[in-house]
Amino acid sequence: DQQVKQNSPSLSVQEGRISILNCDYTNSMFDYFLWYKKYPAEGPTFLISISSIKDKNEDGRFTVFLNKSAKHLSLHIVPSQPGDSAVYFCAASANKLVFGAGTILRVKS
Amino acid sequence: KAGVTQTPRYLIKTRGQQVTLSCSPISGHRSVSWYQQTPGQGLQFLFEYFSETQRNKGNFPGRFSGRQFSNSRSEMNVSTLELGDSALYLCASSWNRQASGEKLFFGSGTQLSVL
Repeated sequence: DQQVKQNSPSLSVQEGRISILNCDYTNSMFDYFLWYKKYPAEGPTFLISISSIKDKNEDGRFTVFLNKSAKHLSLHIVPSQPGDSAVYFCAASANKLVFGAGTILRVKS
Repeated sequence: KAGVTQTPRYLIKTRGQQVTLSCSPISGHRSVSWYQQTPGQGLQFLFEYFSETQRNKGNFPGRFSGRQFSNSRSEMNVSTLELGDSALYLCASSWNRQASGEKLFFGSGTQLSVL
């Protein structure tokens, strides 16, 4: 039962352009959503989060949008940089953190 | 401040054997969670320990078990290993129990290969 889905296994973007990573969820009880970034041979690191009472949260180049009616959230990275190339995991929280399968982002210079 | 430390980094075992993985959380963190990462499956929640008690458990067979010590260090054990247990096992710590918005801090993981 995949409660958090990232339907795009990979995404390739040109340096300087916008990267948009998407995530869908099914459980209405989730009240907090987080994005983690993972480089090879390292553990995931926290990137940005959003509470279910908000529809947008911004932190520098990273913005997360939440559409509760559609049970959809997205992460925007503007402008994208080669160092952003990593696996991005969407996660949702109720009493535990549930992760999606991840999206590999490649930023080409 | 030291991060989450997992040992060993790599492990090779054969089917039927058992394995124990170790995790030292960030100093002061009392919650330790374990996740299994396999290609295409993302991070699957195994269990969470807080103050030496298992607080939450994922949908894994009883071959997967864990414990937490009084100093918050945690171990995970997998018995009767199967080929499908080959994965990256990640440990994460946090100040309190997993709750809404609680950030997890991950270790680099233990890569387990079962032959």
